[in-house]
Amino acid sequence: EAGVTQSPTHLIKTRGQQATLRCSPISGHTSVYWYQQALGLGLQFLLWYDEGEERNRGNFPPRFSGRQFPNYSSELNVNALELEDSALYLCASSTGGRSEAFFGQGTRLTVV
Amino acid sequence: GENVEQHPSTLSVQEGDSAVIKCTYSDSASNYFPWYKQELGKGPQLIIDIRSNVGEKKDQRIAVTLNKTAKHFSLHITETQPEDSAVYFCAASLNSGGYQKVTFGTGTKLQVIP
Repeated sequence: EAGVTQSPTHLIKTRGQQATLRCSPISGHTSVYWYQQALGLGLQFLLWYDEGEERNRGNFPPRFSGRQFPNYSSELNVNALELEDSALYLCASSTGGRSEAFFGQGTRLTVV
Repeated sequence: GENVEQHPSTLSVQEGDSAVIKCTYSDSASNYFPWYKQELGKGPQLIIDIRSNVGEKKDQRIAVTLNKTAKHFSLHITETQPEDSAVYFCAASLNSGGYQKVTFGTGTKLQVIP
């Protein structure tokens, strides 16, 4: 069974540009979580989607947004990129009725 | 909302010694507590979990304990090996409106010295 897949693995953008990160959950999982992990820091919660709806949002500015598609895959969009947005962005998925969340390998975003 | 605190932030142990990482949570409704291991350049991997109706769970060299009254849970690694070196995250999960909401701790960087 395929795990959570994220693309791209690495992304380099210029300050002010937009970045789009993608996540495909494990088959059968309806929930997708997005986290930001800056170098040397812990996991900062960004967004949680389930059944196509945004269920919760972390303490991030509105230029961080996303969506979940009917096939439960998800996109994270970051507009007006800033240097401090450079981080590893992790996606995790789980089922609505179970608790375990499984992570992808992450997308390393570098803003120059 | 739920708040999870994790200590220590860094931990160095000699190979063969034990390592203990502790987490506390704030919401008594949390009912599931997973632990994740994140190796360099990889995403976090689930290594062990415990549910609120269980006080302790073991899997070979790894064990997790839960004290619901005090709202804290711990990860114990015995006979540590260099390959145990990684960042470990605890999490607390609760059912919110029919959905599981997961809150992570800030992570512990474990270094096992050969």
